[in-house]
Amino acid sequence: DTEVTQTPKHLVMGMTNKKSLKCEQHMGHRAMYWYKQKAKKPPELMFVYSYEKLSINESVPSRFSPECPNSSLLNLHLHALQPEDSALYLCASGTSYGYTFGSGTRLTVV
Amino acid sequence: QKEVEQDPGPLSVPEGAIVSLNCTYSNSAFQYFMWYRQYSRKGPELLMYTYSSGNKEDGRFTAQVDKSSKYISLFIRDSQPSDSATYLCAMSAGPQGGKLIFGQGTTLQVKP
Repeated sequence: DTEVTQTPKHLVMGMTNKKSLKCEQHMGHRAMYWYKQKAKKPPELMFVYSYEKLSINESVPSRFSPECPNSSLLNLHLHALQPEDSALYLCASGTSYGYTFGSGTRLTVV
Repeated sequence: QKEVEQDPGPLSVPEGAIVSLNCTYSNSAFQYFMWYRQYSRKGPELLMYTYSSGNKEDGRFTAQVDKSSKYISLFIRDSQPSDSATYLCAMSAGPQGGKLIFGQGTTLQVKP
């Protein structure tokens, strides 16, 4: 299994909602990542988990809360988001020898 | 100055042409270099990975890294309409758990 699976594929949420994005990999990678991508822009790093511990937080607002329950799973909890947070949220796993990205969750905040 | 510079294009070529995509970078600590292909509304897909300087070939794709010039390239031979996508260069200083820095991405259109 060489995939990174993200759910849901699409999500529409109001500014007062709480929702979670999920990511799963079974490649044995010990580093997992959350990226945010706006239209016609490259992915921007949000968080890095290494060996299930948060190692990098790129000054992301607290309305985004990551969680790594085990070495295969990565969650991103969302609360009180703003319309400008609408974007494609990408999960990745791997090392600098080759990261594998999921297909992403397309999030729309209304 | 951005750490990684990539011309966003768009680049339009006829089917069968050789395509050359390039990135320059400023951080001499980068050791790991990647090219990703991204179709519209999909996640990036790893095409090529190179460690340090040198060339690497995989089918129609060739990646080159020149660390002395801080310049990397991706060549696509016999380009096909299915190659139409955005190509992102990416690089990292460390092997695991570090930041992967992306270029802006170049949009490529291959016309039949």
